[in-house]
Amino acid sequence: EPEVTQTPSHQVTQMGQEVILRCVPISNHLYFYWYRQILGQKVEFLVSFYNNEISEKSEIFDDQFSVERPDGSNFTLKIRSTKLEDSAMYFCASSEGGGSPLHFGNGTRLTVT
Amino acid sequence: EDQVTQSPEALRLQEGESSSLNCSYTVSGLRGLFWYRQDPGKGPEFLFTLYSAGEEKEKERLKATLTKKESFLHITAPKPEDSATYLCAVRFQGAQKLVFGQGTRLTINP
Repeated sequence: EPEVTQTPSHQVTQMGQEVILRCVPISNHLYFYWYRQILGQKVEFLVSFYNNEISEKSEIFDDQFSVERPDGSNFTLKIRSTKLEDSAMYFCASSEGGGSPLHFGNGTRLTVT
Repeated sequence: EDQVTQSPEALRLQEGESSSLNCSYTVSGLRGLFWYRQDPGKGPEFLFTLYSAGEEKEKERLKATLTKKESFLHITAPKPEDSATYLCAVRFQGAQKLVFGQGTRLTINP
């Protein structure tokens, strides 16, 4: 069964450093998403991406965050200058259509020290 | 503000003991309610989508139902492998994002 894959599974970085989290969505899906889950808290929406542009974003997704689909298969989340509070599990997801279920990857655990 | 609330936060059952998990929502318009299963250290795994009141979906020991203000995930004769956190998420009118509840951590003892 097709799946969303994310790399790396765990990333440790120092405060102020830039990180790029990578995702390969399911190949025939058109909508792409990033969510995050701080330990013990709810899964929170960050951003959705469709037709090569951001279609919706949350208040968490400020100027420190950016997304890109550099080629036909990858979808990335960049955090420009990481903060301690960015430590979380980051999930990539994709869906076939705007009203379809989301399919999630297994996440990248980001630890900012 | 649109909200999704799940109860209970945690539930322990004996193997074979049926029960239900609840997801209630306050909404300005529902475009879909989604149930996911999440195992420790993994991403949410899609289970069901419900779009309108009265709709029901079933898969193995799980059955999801939807009313105008809440959804139930019924688990019949559960097994230890059903132990996981079950997440409810809602897509509201005018939005693509899913809003998640805090989840119910289900433990099935053998």
